[in-house]
Amino acid sequence: AQKVTQAQTEISVVEKEDVTLDCVYETRDTTYYLFWYKQPPSGELVFLIRRNSFDEQNEISGRYSWNFQKSTSSFNFTITASQVVDSAVYFCALSETTLNDYKLSFGAGTTVTVRA
Amino acid sequence: GAGVSQSPSNKVTEKGKDVELRCDPISGHTALYWYRQRLGQGLEFLIYFQGNSAPDKSGLPSDRFSAERTGESVSTLTIQRTQQEDSAVYLCASSFSGRPSYEQYFGPGTRLTVT
Repeated sequence: AQKVTQAQTEISVVEKEDVTLDCVYETRDTTYYLFWYKQPPSGELVFLIRRNSFDEQNEISGRYSWNFQKSTSSFNFTITASQVVDSAVYFCALSETTLNDYKLSFGAGTTVTVRA
Repeated sequence: GAGVSQSPSNKVTEKGKDVELRCDPISGHTALYWYRQRLGQGLEFLIYFQGNSAPDKSGLPSDRFSAERTGESVSTLTIQRTQQEDSAVYLCASSFSGRPSYEQYFGPGTRLTVT
């Protein structure tokens, strides 16, 4: 079963528009970690944020913000005032703790295209 | 400070040949991971090393795949008798500790094409 679902395959916006990427996860663990990674056209994955399951406080970092809601098992990511450099594939990932392997289970990714 | 490096960056091989992919993690990182990314898809977990031990090999797709790590540093992923479905980008990641609270840092990947 897919543990992380990113329902949006592709999103295209015009520069300066806001864009929200959805992420829904599934786990039976009470302690787990959620991540967002960015994969620009160069291909290298860039870590954006980590959130543990006990911290539901939303976070803002510059133009990026994250909304974590345990009640709906969602960890959504918003880019405010998008720029062309934000064009990339964005992955949401889950790390569970009960299996002791600490692997990341990735969603399929959302391709964001920001047009000038 | 060097990040995770992988070699080769690109590899084209004929079906049936063996290939070896190399990963150099960030110095001091005890945990090392291998993932596979098929074209247009997300990342698929292959194997995890804590030190030189691999407690979880469940992600390896078949017995043609093997991996080892030595000196708590370099890791090699070997694919024997390559098949066309092995074509993908193979990504290596390392983290300070094999605990989920530590983020994984990824290398640039090795693009494998099996013809």
